[in-house]
Amino acid sequence: EAGVAQSPRYKIIEKRQSVAFWCNPISGHATLYWYQQILGQGPKLLIQFQNNGVVDDSQLPKDRFSAERLKGVDSTLKIQPAKLEDSAVYLCASSQTETQYFGPGTRLLVL
Amino acid sequence: DAKTTQPPSMDCAEGRAANLPCNHSTISGNEYVYWYRQIHSQGPQYIIHGLKNNETNEMASLIITEDRKSSTLILPHATLRDTAVYYCIVPPQGGSEKLVFGKGMKLTVNP
Repeated sequence: EAGVAQSPRYKIIEKRQSVAFWCNPISGHATLYWYQQILGQGPKLLIQFQNNGVVDDSQLPKDRFSAERLKGVDSTLKIQPAKLEDSAVYLCASSQTETQYFGPGTRLLVL
Repeated sequence: DAKTTQPPSMDCAEGRAANLPCNHSTISGNEYVYWYRQIHSQGPQYIIHGLKNNETNEMASLIITEDRKSSTLILPHATLRDTAVYYCIVPPQGGSEKLVFGKGMKLTVNP
């Protein structure tokens, strides 16, 4: 069974630029999550989708972050404009039951 | 959410059992205990979860005290590949998908 796929794996941008991350969940998993993990900390949930609907986006900085899952499968997370403090690993996870399966993450460096 | 407390780090010799403690003294009656781990540069990986009874799978055993205020994750024969940050998480009742990661505990398995 293929795992959660994410791309790109690494991205370096300058502050105020835009960036997008892509996630392909495990086939059949209705729930998809985006997490932000700052160095030295545990992952923090940004947004949770159930199929193509948002379940929880309470910790998503909506002035600069957006996410979509239009067809209930793949998802994109966008940051526009990026700030220095957005440097982190962005993790995507999917689940069918209570167990979440994580992708390898996208490491973002904002200069 | 029930807060969990873990020591920041622990060492273990290769081939020996690793016993990873977690305190969750404010856990409610129907809240589960979940364990995930994160190997360097990878996304978190589900290990095991339990409610009251001890649980065992191919990766580990989970021992939950009778009062449910603490638990121990046991890796019976630790290998170098078990070196990782281990997270003990108690999601809110009815919200088992709401994983709130703390800083976790860094387990280093030494040769």
